[in-house]
Amino acid sequence: GDSVTQMEGPVTLSEEAFLTINCTYTATGYPSLFWYVQYPGEGLQLLLKATKADDKGSNKGFEATYRKETTSFHLEKGSVQVSDSAVYFCALDDYKLSFGAGTTVTVRA
Amino acid sequence: DAMVIQNPRYQVTQFGKPVTLSCSQTLNHNVMYWYQQKSSQAPKLLFHYYDKDFNNEADTPDNFQSRRPNTSFCFLDIRSPGLGDAAMYLCATSRDTGVGSYEQYFGPGTRLTVT
Repeated sequence: GDSVTQMEGPVTLSEEAFLTINCTYTATGYPSLFWYVQYPGEGLQLLLKATKADDKGSNKGFEATYRKETTSFHLEKGSVQVSDSAVYFCALDDYKLSFGAGTTVTVRA
Repeated sequence: DAMVIQNPRYQVTQFGKPVTLSCSQTLNHNVMYWYQQKSSQAPKLLFHYYDKDFNNEADTPDNFQSRRPNTSFCFLDIRSPGLGDAAMYLCATSRDTGVGSYEQYFGPGTRLTVT
């Protein structure tokens, strides 16, 4: 079945550092791909999405490109802030959402 | 603002005492989902409603039931909560026309404690 493999954490960074979270997927069709973010004690918020190959999703300084050739959707941000501390989930949607395990990111001032 | 609302945010129940969690939405989405999320894990889909059609995941325990009386509301009933049912329960909605997939919008969650 469809699945997502996500870089394991936790990841600890200093403010203004570069963040990359790797995500690869396995799917029989052409799913939409998402990154969700979960702040402590809250529900999931959609961070960005891409619906077809070569699409680039972006939001709040985060970017991810749907790479069909490498079946990847890596999340990147050039300069993180303390407020980016959260759990990040990669997900694919081929009728229903399949989540990666989540990556906990902590940004230190 | 259109949104997904879950009440209460925190719920404490006793072992074996039935509990109901509620979810409402102002997005007018036709699909509603219930997820269970345990600490440091990804959300696990329990079931979803596509319009009025109920779809249960194969591994969802019988202890969990759901009701959707109208488009806006959906309830999660846990008939006899066990200690292992303590978790965050997330409601989500999406607009699915059956042609393509659309992102899911999540509520803030209800954290259930079983004593």
